[in-house]
Amino acid sequence: NAGVTQTPKFQVLKTGQSMTLQCAQDMNHNSMYWYRQDPGMGLRLIYYSASEGTTDKGEVPNGYNVSRLNKREFSLRLESAAPSQTSVYFCASSEEGLAAFWEQYFGPGTRLTVT
Amino acid sequence: RKEVEQDPGPFNVPEGATVAFNCTYSNSASQSFFWYRQDCRKEPKLLMSVYSSGNEDGRFTAQLNRASQYISLLIRDSKLSDSATYLCVGRMDSSYKLIFGSGTRLLVRP
Repeated sequence: NAGVTQTPKFQVLKTGQSMTLQCAQDMNHNSMYWYRQDPGMGLRLIYYSASEGTTDKGEVPNGYNVSRLNKREFSLRLESAAPSQTSVYFCASSEEGLAAFWEQYFGPGTRLTVT
Repeated sequence: RKEVEQDPGPFNVPEGATVAFNCTYSNSASQSFFWYRQDCRKEPKLLMSVYSSGNEDGRFTAQLNRASQYISLLIRDSKLSDSATYLCVGRMDSSYKLIFGSGTRLLVRP
């Protein structure tokens, strides 16, 4: 099993460009998450999807959109990139339910730089 | 004030040492806590959950003190492979959201 995979691993964008970060998991998990990690800030939740067909805002959703394409895939879109969105982006998945959602499995991350 | 605060370190200790990290949280209604480990330029991975009664997993012991609103992680007999950043994580309400601390960096030297 590959676990959680993310593409691309690295990306450089110019201000105003758009892009989609892809995430897929093969663990049959219902819940998926997108985080960003900045120095000194810890991981912050952007959006999550508790189950297929639902998405909810996290702590820092502004400037992002998400799509839960199917049970396996959860994409994150930046419509008009800004330098403040320079960060490392992690996708994660977990079993659904309050007893299990806290054990999250993370992908390797996407390092995004916006110039 | 951050909801979960950690000393960023780094803690620089020799192999075999015992080291302890603390983490404080601001929301007294916080429900559950966990420690995640993150190696340099890698993804975070769950290390262990934290229970009020304290729990142990090999060389690692986690403790929750609700009265003082802090969580601790004790590592005994440190190994070189323990060098990493340790993230204190809390579930603050009844939602599916986890709040991550910014991490404490541990360096174990030979």
